[in-house]
Amino acid sequence: GESVGLHLPTLSVQEGDNSIINCAYSNSASDYFIWYKQESGKGPQFIIDIRSNMDKRQGQRVTVLLNKTVKHLSLQIAATQPGDSAVYFCAENIIPEAAGNKLTFGGGTRVLVKP
Amino acid sequence: DTAVSQTPKYLVTQMGNDKSIKCEQNLGHDTMYWYKQDSKKFLKIMFSYNNKELIINETVPNRFSPKSPDKAHLNLHINSLELGDSAVYFCASTSRTGLSYGYTFGSGTRLTVV
Repeated sequence: GESVGLHLPTLSVQEGDNSIINCAYSNSASDYFIWYKQESGKGPQFIIDIRSNMDKRQGQRVTVLLNKTVKHLSLQIAATQPGDSAVYFCAENIIPEAAGNKLTFGGGTRVLVKP
Repeated sequence: DTAVSQTPKYLVTQMGNDKSIKCEQNLGHDTMYWYKQDSKKFLKIMFSYNNKELIINETVPNRFSPKSPDKAHLNLHINSLELGDSAVYFCASTSRTGLSYGYTFGSGTRLTVV
C-alpha cells in the first residue's frame, strides 16, 4: 500500500456537498493552467484547463476560476461524489505552444469524500 | 486503447544496479516527458523530448539518461541506482498544436531501491 502524501493538505467533504480546492501559482507570466486528478496508484488525469485571457471555465460538474491579480486558481466540484476522492494538482505553463514548454505542478490537495 | 503506456509498473532493485523504464504513446503527440513524483506527491519535470530531440533537462544527475528512438517512444535509463532514486516515475506526452495543451500521463513506474 501507499504511505505517501502524509503531509498533503486535506479537504474533507460530505458526499453531495460542493468542494473548493485552491491553488496559488508562482509565475505571473504563466498563460495556461490545468487541474489534474490523481487517484491512488494511477497517473494524473486531466480535468479542466484555462488560459490566462479567461477568468472562468466550466466543465461537467467542475468549474475553474482564475484570478491573475493575486495569482490564484480554484477548482470547484459540484455535488461531490465518492469517486472524486483523490489528490488534485494545479499546474501552470508559460507558453504551452513552445517546444520547451513545461508544466510546473503545485503541491497537491487530497480530497476525502465522506459518505 | 489510445494511451501512454509505461513498463514496468513496479521495479525493485539493489543500490548500484542499472535499470530502464520504457514509455510509448500512440496519441500521435510530438512531445514526451519524464516526471518524478516523490514521497510527498510532489511532481517535478526531469526531461522533455520534442520529435526525438532533447528540449528540457532539469538538472538531473547524469546517471539518468533518456533516449527517444522515435517520437512515440521515450525510455529512461538509470545507472548506479541510489536510495534517493526511489520514487514514482511518470511518462507523459502532449501535442503543441491543438486546442488543449494538457499532458496525458502514463500510470507510473514505482521504483524502489534497496
